[in-house]
Amino acid sequence: DARVTQTPRHKVTEMGQEVTMRCQPILGHNTVFWYRQTMMQGLELLAYFRNRAPLDDSGMPKDRFSAEMPDATLATLKIQPSEPRDSAVYFCASGPNFKDRASLNQPQHFGDGTRLSIL
Amino acid sequence: GNSVTQMEGPVTLSEEAFLTINCTYTATGYPSLFWYVQYPGEGLQLLLKATKADDKGSNKGFEATYRKETTSFHLEKGSVQVSDSAVYFCALSDPPYYGGSQGNLIFGKGTKLSVKP
Repeated sequence: DARVTQTPRHKVTEMGQEVTMRCQPILGHNTVFWYRQTMMQGLELLAYFRNRAPLDDSGMPKDRFSAEMPDATLATLKIQPSEPRDSAVYFCASGPNFKDRASLNQPQHFGDGTRLSIL
Repeated sequence: GNSVTQMEGPVTLSEEAFLTINCTYTATGYPSLFWYVQYPGEGLQLLLKATKADDKGSNKGFEATYRKETTSFHLEKGSVQVSDSAVYFCALSDPPYYGGSQGNLIFGKGTKLSVKP
């Protein structure tokens, strides 16, 4: 089965350090989403891309977070500098080209997440 | 704006009990509706979906019916198993706008289900 691959699975680092999380979407998927999950806020959409172009990153704190897709097989989410409140599980999801109603019925496929702890 | 409201958890049931997790939504247009499941330590997986009013989605013994009149999509299972213990998320797709859609999903906050032997 095709899968979304996220690395690392776990990351523990000290406040102020740069954190980079990586995502390999399913081959052929051209829409990539980044989510953050916490107990308090639940699942929040941070940003998403289509054809490597950012469509919306309004859910992301711009001063410290950045999301990019250097190529079609890699999406990155960076935090610099990291803070304890960034501790969460970060999920990447990919989907097909959501260009019509039929494609909307296709599910997003989630990776297993990166569990981030900032000390 | 569009939103999804799920019943608060956690829900604790005994094996073979009947399960209902309520979900209601607010949306303009005609969204598609989904239930996703998250097992411990994993990402979300699609459980079932319904794309128009009165559709029933079903999978692994779970069912949900798209009720436009009540704007609901409640998840049900007749006999739960210990292996069903997970967090369940109700979601809707952002309805398409002219020229295309972003394919966003709007999620509820999730309902944790624990099934005891």
